[in-house]
Parts: sequence; structure tokens; C-alpha cells
Amino acid sequence: DAGVIQSPRHEVTEMGQEVTLRCKPISGHDYLFWYRQTMMRGLELLIYFNNNVPIDDSGMPEDRFSAKMPNASFSTLKIQPSEPRDSAVYFCASSRQANYGYTFGSGTRLTVV
Amino acid sequence: GQNIDQPTEMTATEGAIVQINCTYQTSGFNGLFWYQQHAGEAPTFLSYNVLDGLEEKGRFSSFLSRSKGYSYLLLKELQMKDSASYLCAVRGENAGKSTFGDGTTLTVKP
Repeated sequence: DAGVIQSPRHEVTEMGQEVTLRCKPISGHDYLFWYRQTMMRGLELLIYFNNNVPIDDSGMPEDRFSAKMPNASFSTLKIQPSEPRDSAVYFCASSRQANYGYTFGSGTRLTVV
Repeated sequence: GQNIDQPTEMTATEGAIVQINCTYQTSGFNGLFWYQQHAGEAPTFLSYNVLDGLEEKGRFSSFLSRSKGYSYLLLKELQMKDSASYLCAVRGENAGKSTFGDGTTLTVKP
């Protein structure tokens, strides 16, 4: 199994631009999570899906953030417009069931200048 | 809401034993997880506890006391490669998601 695959690994963009992060979960995993990690705030849950349906998006900072999961093998996290305070490492993770540990992707390091 | 506390940093010697504590306050409880994260890498799953007691997995063990809202991760026969951040994560009443502590940075010295 290739694990959770995220792209791109690094993204540098200018303030105001649209950014799209991509994730392919492990086949057969019913749960998909988007987390953001910064030194100041640690790992924060942004949104999670169960069987492709968004269950909890209370962690999404504001309307500039949106996430979709059109099918079981693909999810996107979009930021439009991006701001410097969005700079962070964004992790996608998946798990088979609620009581299983997560498998994390390698993350996308986003820098907004 | 959920509140998770871990020490920020710990230092130990190669070959020794170290215990990393985690205390939590949650609305409901559906399990506690430990993850290891090396600098610049993604977290990796180490252990899961949902019932009280000790779970052993090789050099790593994890303990849970639900009544005390307390867990610890025990690392034996420390190796240099164990230098990493160790994250405690709790699933509360919303069983689908985990809330992470800020992590404990462990430095193993020769």
C-alpha cells in the first residue's frame, strides 16, 4: 500500500492567490481528516469526512477555506484567497474506523508571502 | 470541549527508560492515542487505549486510567532514533475525530 498521498509537498504562493491541496487516502479507509500544524497552535483538525460525507467542519477557520471529497479516493482542501497567516503544514490522514489510529500523509508545507 | 496537557520537553539517556505523561479533560471518551513525530515528518501511530490498563508493544507501552483522565507512554531501552515529539490524542464524545495535545519533545542523549 502506498499510504496516504498528498500533493504538492511544498507550495509557495502570493497573498490573494487560490491554493488547492490534494489527498488520496488509503483504499478501504472510511474516514478522512484534514489537519493543520503550526508551532503556535499545534495540530488542529479542520474538517473530517466519513464515507465521503463531511461530518464536522467546525475547525475550518473561515469561509476562505473549503474542502471536498467527490469520491472515496480523492479529497481537496482549497484556500481562496490565501493569506500569510495560512502558512502551515497541512496534513491529510485516513483511518479504517473510528477506533483505529490515523495514517498521515507526508503533508503539504504551505508558505503564503 | 477538550483539554490535553503534556510536558513540553524531556531529556533522557540512551538505554534508559522514560515516561511521558498526558492528562486530559473531555466531554465523553472514545479512546486515547499516542503518535510519534520526527522533525519535519508526519506523525505515525504508536498505540491505542480505550480500557484501563497497560498495553505493551515491544519497547513501547501505554497506560490509561479513565477515572483519572491520565495516560502515559513508556519507552524502554531508549535509542537515539527515539528523539522525536510524542503526541497524545483523545477521541471524545464525537468519536470520529481526535484532538491532539501540543506534544512532548524527547531528546535522547548518548
